[in-house]
Order: sequence, then structure tokens, then C-alpha cells
Amino acid sequence: KAGVTQTPRYLIKTRGQQVTLSCSPISGHRSVSWYQQTPGQGLQFLFEYFSETQRNKGNFPGRFSGRQFSNSRSEMNVSTLELGDSALYLCASTRQGSYEQYFGPGTRLTVT
Amino acid sequence: AQSVTQLGSHVSVSEGALVLLRCNYSSSVPPYLFWYVQYPNQGLQLLLKYTTGATLVKGINGFEAEFKKSETSFHLTKPSAHMSDAAEYFCAVSENTNAGKSTFGDGTTLTVKP
Repeated sequence: KAGVTQTPRYLIKTRGQQVTLSCSPISGHRSVSWYQQTPGQGLQFLFEYFSETQRNKGNFPGRFSGRQFSNSRSEMNVSTLELGDSALYLCASTRQGSYEQYFGPGTRLTVT
Repeated sequence: AQSVTQLGSHVSVSEGALVLLRCNYSSSVPPYLFWYVQYPNQGLQLLLKYTTGATLVKGINGFEAEFKKSETSFHLTKPSAHMSDAAEYFCAVSENTNAGKSTFGDGTTLTVKP
């Protein structure tokens, strides 16, 4: 079974731009969670989607948004990028009824 | 609310020595606890988890952890370190009703000396 895939793996954007990251979960997994990882703040939960609905949300500004499609693929969008948004963005998928999160390799976003 | 504290941001051991990485948690409901490992430029890989039942859980690569409710701890151990164990380790907690939302500790970087 293929693992969680994230595209692109690396991204460089300019301050003020917006960006969209994509995550394809493991086949059959309907929950997708997003995390931001930075050296200063560590791993922080952004949001979780299940069956196309946002089920949980972390403490991030409204510039961070996401969505999930009917095939469980998920995207997250960051608008009006700031230098502090530079981070590794990880997504994880979970099978319904399980408590194990399977992480993708992440998207490394650099904002200049 | 839940939180995780990992004691020691850096741990160094010799190859063949015991590995002990400490994790204490806080949770208002019965916790689900996890240890993950992250190698450079990679995502997180689940080492082991505690949900219910046996408090001593065994994971991959020879790691194990013991859930101690009275001490609110979930320390990770491995009897004999291998060079390939060098990585960053994260302890995480989630509520049993929010499997998709985990709170992570700050991580412990394990160095293994030859």
C-alpha cells in the first residue's frame, strides 16, 4: 500500500504570496491532519479533516485554511505569506477507528 | 487541554548502551500516547503507541515504553543503542475522542557514539 504523499516536496515563495500544498492519504484513510514544524515552535497542529469536513482546528490565523475532497485528498492554503511561515508542513492520515497517524515526508516551504 | 514535556533536548549514548528518553504528559481525559522518530528531511514514523490495556508496549526496532499513570510518564527505552538509532524522537498525546489531533513534545535528539 502506498504511503502518504505530499506535493510539492520543496517550495520557495515570496512574502505576500499565497501557496497551496497537497496531501494524498493512504488508500482507505478518511482523516487527514496537518501540522507545522519549525525549529522554534516545534510541531503544531493546524487542522484535521474527515469526510470533507473540518473536525478539529489548531490555533493558527485565518490565513491558514484547508479543505478535503471526496477522495480524501486534502489541500492546505496559506495566504499572504509571512517570513515566519517558513516551515516543514506535514500531513498525516488515519484510518477510521484507529489512533495511528501515518505521516507523509512533508513539504518544505521557504518564504523569502 | 493536554501537553507533553520531553526532558532533555539532546541525549548522547554510546553504541550498545541503554537508551532512555523521557516523556511526561498532561491530559484531562485518559490519554493515548505515542512515540515517533524523525530522520533528517523525512516525516515522522510511529515507533509505538499506548491506547488501553497492557502498560508496557513494544514497538519497532527494539524500542519499548511503559505507561505509568501515577507518574504521568511514558518513557522510551531500548536496551542497546545502534548507530542507526540516531535521530529525533517525539512523544505525543491525543485524546481518545480526537485521534487526528495530537500534541507533540519538543523532541529529543539522540546521538549515538561509536
